[in-house]
Amino acid sequence: GEDVEQSLFLSVREGDSSVINCTYTDSSSTYLYWYKQEPGAGLQLLTYIFSNMDMKQDQRLTVLLNKKDKHLSLRIADTQTGDSAIYFCAETPPFYNQGGKLIFGQGTELSVKP
Amino acid sequence: NAGVTQTPKFQVLKTGQSMTLQCAQDMNHNSMYWYRQDPGMGLRLIYYSASEGTTDKGEVPNGYNVSRLNKREFSLRLESAAPSQTSVYFCASSEAEHYEAFFGQGTRLTVV
Repeated sequence: GEDVEQSLFLSVREGDSSVINCTYTDSSSTYLYWYKQEPGAGLQLLTYIFSNMDMKQDQRLTVLLNKKDKHLSLRIADTQTGDSAIYFCAETPPFYNQGGKLIFGQGTELSVKP
Repeated sequence: NAGVTQTPKFQVLKTGQSMTLQCAQDMNHNSMYWYRQDPGMGLRLIYYSASEGTTDKGEVPNGYNVSRLNKREFSLRLESAAPSQTSVYFCASSEAEHYEAFFGQGTRLTVV
């Protein structure tokens, strides 16, 4: 079955790095995603990684994928108070039988203290 | 540049009442989804539509029905609302090749 697990809370100081972790169970997932949700808003895609990649860097964001351990992480460098939000890890089964749907983790609430 | 538009933004229902949540997207996406968000549980898929004319159950479909009216619109209906359906509902759409989903702003529904 498909399952995505995240820790619920993370608190960091402004300027530090944040690392949000995620584990997933479906080894056939083609894409893995990180979404950000600010208070009272919908989710917005932050970044994604294709399953044949180990790492992806995008400005302050670094995504690491360990396929053997089915572990995904999101590192935010130089974390700012504006990064305070809920971060969701998500995976998608192969499209041909699942319609491109996303399976989400519980979300990690990142709190950045000045 | 509207993206995904949901209506209403807030709704309070009494137990047993019915209502329809509306969703429209202007990105010409084939796939559309309805999720519910509950504290500590992330987003759970209620129903999805991989293309116009098709709908499929997700993880938590009981108590809901959907209609893919055309390529733009995907509505979610609660026939007889229950307090357990108190939640924030999100509509999303995506294009198959990239799977990036675009979300609406959500509907906060309270059933009393």
